[in-house]
Amino acid sequence: DTAVSQTPKYLVTQMGNDKSIKCEQNLGHDTMYWYKQDSKKFLKIMFSYNNKELIINETVPNRFSPKSPDKAHLNLHINSLELGDSAVYFCASSQGIHNEQFFGPGTRLTVL
Amino acid sequence: GQSLEQPSEVTAVEGAIVQINCTYQTSGFYGLSWYQQHDGGAPTFLSYNALDGLEETGRFSSFLSRSDSYGYLLLQELQMKDSASYFCVLTGKSTFGDGTTLTVKP
Repeated sequence: DTAVSQTPKYLVTQMGNDKSIKCEQNLGHDTMYWYKQDSKKFLKIMFSYNNKELIINETVPNRFSPKSPDKAHLNLHINSLELGDSAVYFCASSQGIHNEQFFGPGTRLTVL
Repeated sequence: GQSLEQPSEVTAVEGAIVQINCTYQTSGFYGLSWYQQHDGGAPTFLSYNALDGLEETGRFSSFLSRSDSYGYLLLQELQMKDSASYFCVLTGKSTFGDGTTLTVKP
């Protein structure tokens, strides 16, 4: 059983398109996250939701919008994709904001 | 804001001991965590220090000194499979350091 799953695993798209990445966790956790890892392997928090409420919203372009339909899901929608959005996006979950985070396998986004 | 500093690269030989240091600046501290990430993989949790002192988990130990805003990850009896990136993280803020690439040589 996969604890934190993301779809798709790979996403190749053209500049200007809109795309979504889905994340689901079956661990019963209250907190979910989205991270961006660039080509230099720097891992940056983008958003965090606790019980469907946004608690961390780092400085990211407003083209990125997280949506949490329920505690088990946190999707990431990206509008008007740019070349600089190419990265690996990781979803994660934890029981609380101070607890161990469990990461999904990542989604490699390539914008052409 | 918050920031963490850790060395970008460390190299060691199999069987050796290596220490990866991390200094941090933050307002409001909830603890320091360590994560491991192999090439092409996802980060995985290694350890967490909320209070000063040493936490030991098998071959890995982590230390924290809140008064010095400093922590380290100690890896003993290094194995080739320990070659990976290691991140220190400000727990509660989900702020990751830039990562340390550990290369273990035979």
